[in-house]
Amino acid sequence: AQKITQTQPGMFVQEKEAVTLDCTYDTSDQSYGLFWYKQPSSGEMIFLIYQGSYDEQNATEGRYSLNFQKARKSANLVISASQLGDSAMYFCAMREAVILAGGGNKLTFGTGTQLKVEL
Amino acid sequence: DARVTQTPRHKVTEMGQEVTMRCQPILGHNTVFWYRQTMMQGLELLAYFRNRAPLDDSGMPKDRFSAEMPDATLATLKIQPSEPRDSAVYFCASGLDGLWRGTSTDTQYFGPGTRLTVL
Repeated sequence: AQKITQTQPGMFVQEKEAVTLDCTYDTSDQSYGLFWYKQPSSGEMIFLIYQGSYDEQNATEGRYSLNFQKARKSANLVISASQLGDSAMYFCAMREAVILAGGGNKLTFGTGTQLKVEL
Repeated sequence: DARVTQTPRHKVTEMGQEVTMRCQPILGHNTVFWYRQTMMQGLELLAYFRNRAPLDDSGMPKDRFSAEMPDATLATLKIQPSEPRDSAVYFCASGLDGLWRGTSTDTQYFGPGTRLTVL
């Protein structure tokens, strides 16, 4: 089974509108972290926002917020007031607090959602 | 503004040639990761290091790939001999510590990537 599922291969949004990118995850671990990264056409991977499994409040970073619903195992990214520069691929990722040999730090990524912001 | 740097940014080579990719992690980070991104497989973890010691290289084809950290400021990924199926974008990422803390310090920061084309 996929650990991270992003069901929207592509999304369109009008400039200045809000958009939600979906992410569901699968883990039996109680301790984990969820991350969103942005990959513009230039190719770099840019960290956007983090949510810990024990965080009681949804994470926010500027125009980015994370709608964290632990019981549903979902961690949707909300981008408010979309801008043309938000057009990019967005990846959801998870790190589980599994102690592997020497300490676990592996990120598991979803397949990504391509967001296109239109005028 | 601390960043992970990678060289070269682009590499075109012929099948059978040796390829070396270099990464300078963020100063103070003691974990380094190598990921490969392809359209078919998405983002895959190849190897990761903590305090320069390799902890997990299970994602790496052992017969042709090797990863090392000669010192704390340099990580290398070598492919010898290279094959067309190795064509991909190779990312290096660094992070603080290898222990899960349940905070945003668990974040991994990515370099700009090396786009490798093997003809």
